[in-house]
Amino acid sequence: EAGVAQSPRYKIIEKRQSVAFWCNPISGHATLYWYQQILGQGPKLLIQFQNNGVVDDSQLPKDRFSAERLKGVDSTLKIQPAKLEDSAVYLCASSFGTPLVEQFFGPGTRLTVL
Amino acid sequence: AQKVTQAQTEISVVEKEDVTLDCVYETRDTTYYLFWYKQPPSGELVFLIRRNSFDEQNEISGRYSWNFQKSTSSFNFTITASQVVDSAVYFCALSEARAMNRDDKIIFGKGTRLHILP
Repeated sequence: EAGVAQSPRYKIIEKRQSVAFWCNPISGHATLYWYQQILGQGPKLLIQFQNNGVVDDSQLPKDRFSAERLKGVDSTLKIQPAKLEDSAVYLCASSFGTPLVEQFFGPGTRLTVL
Repeated sequence: AQKVTQAQTEISVVEKEDVTLDCVYETRDTTYYLFWYKQPPSGELVFLIRRNSFDEQNEISGRYSWNFQKSTSSFNFTITASQVVDSAVYFCALSEARAMNRDDKIIFGKGTRLHILP
């Protein structure tokens, strides 16, 4: 079974630039999550989708971050404009149902904002 | 509000030693779930275990064991006879369950970086 795919693996941009990350979850997983993991911290949930609907985006900085999951499969996370404090690893995960079951994580995208 | 504390930022042990990773949690709910995830250098978090608040039985899986004590709000993880491949960051996490609602979310601790020295 293929795992969660993410691209790119690494991205370096200057502040105020835009960036987008892509995630392809495990086939059949209805729930998709985007996490931000700052160095030395645990992952923090940014947004959770159930199929193509948003379930929780309470911790998403909506003035600069946006995410979509068209057709309930792939998802993109965008940052526009980026700030220095956005430097982090962005993890995508998926699960069959609620966050109370096992989540499967992708390898993440390491973003460096200069 | 829910909170997970992993007081040990970094631990180093020599291979074959036993090591325990501590996890203390805070929650107001009586129904909740606790998790451990492993993050190896490759970056992908790997699920290790899930435990619900009504099941205080300790669990053993090979060299891994977990000790859940509601009285002290702790869910500690022990690796017996550690191996170099166990080197990783380990995260404890908590989710409050509202009848398995889809909007439950997991709160992660800051993690413990474990170094197993050959």
